[in-house]
Amino acid sequence: DQQVKQNSPSLSVQEGRISILNCDYTNSMFDYFLWYKKYPAEGPTFLISISSIKDKNEDGRFTVFLNKSAKHLSLHIVPSQPGDSAVYFCAASRGGSNYKLTFGKGTLLTVNP
Amino acid sequence: SAVISQKPSRDICQRGTSLTIQCQVDSQVTMMFWYRQQPGQSLTLIATANQGSEATYESGFVIDKFPISRPNLTFSTLTVSNMSPEDSSIYLCSVQRTNNEQFFGPGTRLTVL
Repeated sequence: DQQVKQNSPSLSVQEGRISILNCDYTNSMFDYFLWYKKYPAEGPTFLISISSIKDKNEDGRFTVFLNKSAKHLSLHIVPSQPGDSAVYFCAASRGGSNYKLTFGKGTLLTVNP
Repeated sequence: SAVISQKPSRDICQRGTSLTIQCQVDSQVTMMFWYRQQPGQSLTLIATANQGSEATYESGFVIDKFPISRPNLTFSTLTVSNMSPEDSSIYLCSVQRTNNEQFFGPGTRLTVL
């Protein structure tokens, strides 16, 4: 049972345009969401997170939007840069003393120069 | 963030043997985690390792197959025992920081022949 789903295995965008990566979840107990970026042969790198009490969190070129009613979150990267090309993982946790992260399968983003 | 190193970075092993993966953190942390990423799959939590207590394993993972040590607050090992080709994966350790954010090591790429 995939509790965190990233339905797009890959996404290709032009440099300078917006990249939108989507993530859906099924467990209504999740209250904290994270995005990680992973380059080949490296471990995932934390990118940005959002608590369920918010609907938006912004950090430079990266913005995460949370729609709790739809159990959907998205990561916007604008403007996209070739260095952003990586696999992006969405993850969710129940917070509190439960730190277990449940990950999606990832979306490979390719930013073309 | 935390600086996390793993040894070995990769290995090729024969069926039926065991491999111990080391994870070293540059600062003391209470909670360390071990994940597995099988080809084309998401990161899956194997177990949570707290210093001074036995590791807590997730459903589908057992101590006999994946024994874990946590001798101090900066170090942990994961052993993959009696390996089969299905154990071929990337194994990652991570540490808990604030706000449910986890930071990952670079991973150990294991191939079992």
